[in-house]
Amino acid sequence: ELKVEQNPLFLSMQEGKNYTIYCNYSTTSDRLYWYRQDPGKSLESLFVLLSNGAVKQEGRLMASLDTKARLSTLHITAAVHDLSATYFCAVDMGSNYQLIWGAGTKLIIKP
Amino acid sequence: EAGVTQFPSHSVIEKGQTVTLRCDPISGHDNLYWYRRVMGKEIKFLLHFVKESKQDESGMPNNRFLAERTGGTYSTLKVQPAELEDSGVYFCASSQGLQGAQHFGDGTRLSIL
Repeated sequence: ELKVEQNPLFLSMQEGKNYTIYCNYSTTSDRLYWYRQDPGKSLESLFVLLSNGAVKQEGRLMASLDTKARLSTLHITAAVHDLSATYFCAVDMGSNYQLIWGAGTKLIIKP
Repeated sequence: EAGVTQFPSHSVIEKGQTVTLRCDPISGHDNLYWYRRVMGKEIKFLLHFVKESKQDESGMPNNRFLAERTGGTYSTLKVQPAELEDSGVYFCASSQGLQGAQHFGDGTRLSIL
């Protein structure tokens, strides 16, 4: 059974700091997704990582995928308050294409 | 382009009643998915439609849940009879291809009293 673990589950940080959220998964998969959710809102797609070594960047967020280590990271550079949200990683099951989700990381960025 | 829309946004019903949730995917998206998040737990896959066909319904919790997608457009998820443990947020998502991002609706928050 595929399991996805995120850490930390909760992160409070100051504006301007850097930090990384980790996403480990238990079995082979080549597709990993990062989503953002604001309270009471929809899940917004941030990154789709489809191969080993994939790196994608959007603004202050950068995501990478190491399929051999079964690890993805979401790095936040010089955090700003607007990035406060819950961040989820999800891995698909290969032929099934259903997403298996991490528990989410609630990120609070203090001004 | 309109996004994925879900209706209702909130539903409060009593145990034993029936509730039907609706999802309108992005136009042209053949793939439609239902997920559920029970409070304090991870988001869990329920089922996947390709057009009107159920591709994978391995996540459906039991036979009180019935999903349909007649005509391959909008989908409904009916819970009959509802139980307390069915409370949670039900998300619908759609995608054009199978490997791209799934686009999510705002979810339906279902509360069973």
